Formats: sequence, C-alpha cells, structure tokens
Amino acid sequence: GENVGLHLPTLSVQEGDNSIINCAYSNSASDYFIWYKQESGKGPQFIIDIRSNMDKRQGQRVTVLLNKTVKHLSLQIAATQPGDSAVYFCAENTKGGSEKLVFGKGTKLTVNP
Amino acid sequence: EAGVTQFPSHSVIEKGQTVTLRCDPISGHDNLYWYRRVMGKEIKFLLHFVKESKQDESGMPNNRFLAERTGGTYSTLKVQPAELEDSGVYFCASSHGEGRFGELFFGEGSRLTVL
Repeated sequence: GENVGLHLPTLSVQEGDNSIINCAYSNSASDYFIWYKQESGKGPQFIIDIRSNMDKRQGQRVTVLLNKTVKHLSLQIAATQPGDSAVYFCAENTKGGSEKLVFGKGTKLTVNP
Repeated sequence: EAGVTQFPSHSVIEKGQTVTLRCDPISGHDNLYWYRRVMGKEIKFLLHFVKESKQDESGMPNNRFLAERTGGTYSTLKVQPAELEDSGVYFCASSHGEGRFGELFFGEGSRLTVL
C-alpha cells in the first residue's frame, strides 16, 4: 500500500462493542494473509491467518474476512475489551515469491471502558 | 520456552556512529527475519536468513546495513554509519522450517534513535 503520512488510521469503540478493522492489500497475486496485533512496547503478535482459498476464518472472538475481488481484508473482534487496544496490522505473502511479509499501514484501536 | 529476544531495547546514537543490534531467535527456528518500522509507518521487510544463509535481502536499504547470522543461531544487524532516517524500531522474527505458512514470532524490537 501507499504511505499516507505519519498518522495511523484510528478506531475508537466502547467496551463490549464489536470492532471491524479493514485493510486493502496491494498484490492480487498474494495468497496468504495474516493479522497481527502490536501493543505498545511489544512486537507484533500473530492473531489469525487465512489462505486465499477461503473467504472467512474464525478464531476465538476474532473473524477474518477476505474479499479477493476488491483486494480487501477485514478483522472483526467480538465483544471488544480494553486489552484489545493496540495497533493492528494486516500482512500479505505471495506464492512463488520470497517468504517475506508485506505489511499494511496499521490501524490503532482504542477501546473505551 | 524463551521467545525471540532482542538487544538493546533502545539505542540512542549520533549521526555517523555505528550500532549493532542483536537478535536471538527461538531455539530450533531456522528462519530468521529482520523488519523495521520507521517513524510510525508500516513494518517493512529487511532480510531473511535460513540458518546461516541469506535467503532474501531485497529489503536492505543500502550498503550501510550489514546482517550476519554466524552458525545459524543469533543474528546481528549493523548500521554503519548511521543516518537520521535510520531511526525506527527494528524487529526480529523467527519461525521453524514450515515455509511461508509457519507462524512468525516477533521480538519486542530494538528502538534506534539517530540524532
């Protein structure tokens, strides 16, 4: 994706609400996608992944949706908790390429008690 | 089991100086990656080791950056001479040998500030 400056997209929700974080990926050849959570002062932490032969995958309180037609990925967090406050990154990988991940810009989620 | 550890957690240096960052991957992980996040932007790939070999170094910005992984264990990333634009957080990650679908474990990062 393109750089849009220093300011991260932000999402502020109330505790208990559902959160939806969106990501537009850049490479139509990408076939593996991951969501990471990064808390302040920590490294990115794996949340959930999805391969391109699926359009939905569920984990504990999280769901990832993949729309390959419009190159869009979303992360849904159910019953958002204050501990979910973090920056969320999507990442993509392309079959036949290297094993490197290409990260999106990140979205800062703030959960208000 | 210890996670990926990085040292130092924060380094402040003058422009033109040298800094060496160290990463200890999870024991037994053949794959080791370096990424960096500059000024709050997206996390960008630097390079990938498989054991002691550089598998992909396409993300290394220039020849001021040198990464090594002697013996296939820990890795170092040296920046010499450092420039202002090198400031950011350098992340190391490791995974075992399941190719690109193996879960990647990140360290907490080394924050570099170049003044």
